[in-house]
Amino acid sequence: DTAVSQTPKYLVTQMGNDKSIKCEQNLGHDTMYWYKQDSKKFLKIMFSYNNKELIINETVPNRFSPKSPDKAHLNLHINSLELGDSAVYFCASSQAGTGRWRRAFFGQGTRLTVV
Amino acid sequence: RKEVEQDPGPFNVPEGATVAFNCTYSNSASQSFFWYRQDCRKEPKLLMSVYSSGNEDGRFTAQLNRASQYISLLIRDSKLSDSATYLCVVNRASDMRFGAGTRLTVKP
Repeated sequence: DTAVSQTPKYLVTQMGNDKSIKCEQNLGHDTMYWYKQDSKKFLKIMFSYNNKELIINETVPNRFSPKSPDKAHLNLHINSLELGDSAVYFCASSQAGTGRWRRAFFGQGTRLTVV
Repeated sequence: RKEVEQDPGPFNVPEGATVAFNCTYSNSASQSFFWYRQDCRKEPKLLMSVYSSGNEDGRFTAQLNRASQYISLLIRDSKLSDSATYLCVVNRASDMRFGAGTRLTVKP
């Protein structure tokens, strides 16, 4: 049973297209995240949702729009894709609150290549 | 200044060596701390939580110094399988920040 699953695993698309990445967690967690890991391998937070409510929206172009239909799902829609959007996108989830049990579980990542 | 800073390495060590990684964080409101491990082309996975009193898990020891806003990870008796990138993670509310990671290669 996959705890955090995201699809697709690989996505190759042309500049200017619109694409979505889906994420689902079956851990009963309240908080979900999207991270971007670029070619320099730095894992940067993009968005954080808690109980379907947007908590963090880092300096991300508004071409990126997260959608949380329920607390088990957090999808990422990207409009007008650009070459610089090429990266690995990771979805993660954790329990709400503070403390050492608030560990995050990650999906396998979606490797997006914009050509 | 980044919220979580790590020495990117790379650290190249022989099997059996002891190696230490350091991490500093800038936000004093940070509440919980972790070390994650990321293998090439894989997702990050939790290695261990970091407790205020320091904690050990087999060959791995984590330390936290809240006054200095500093976290460390010590790996003793390195194995080839320890080769990976080690990520320092700092957590507050619904905000989980990662360091850039420290690359470790353990050689025979």
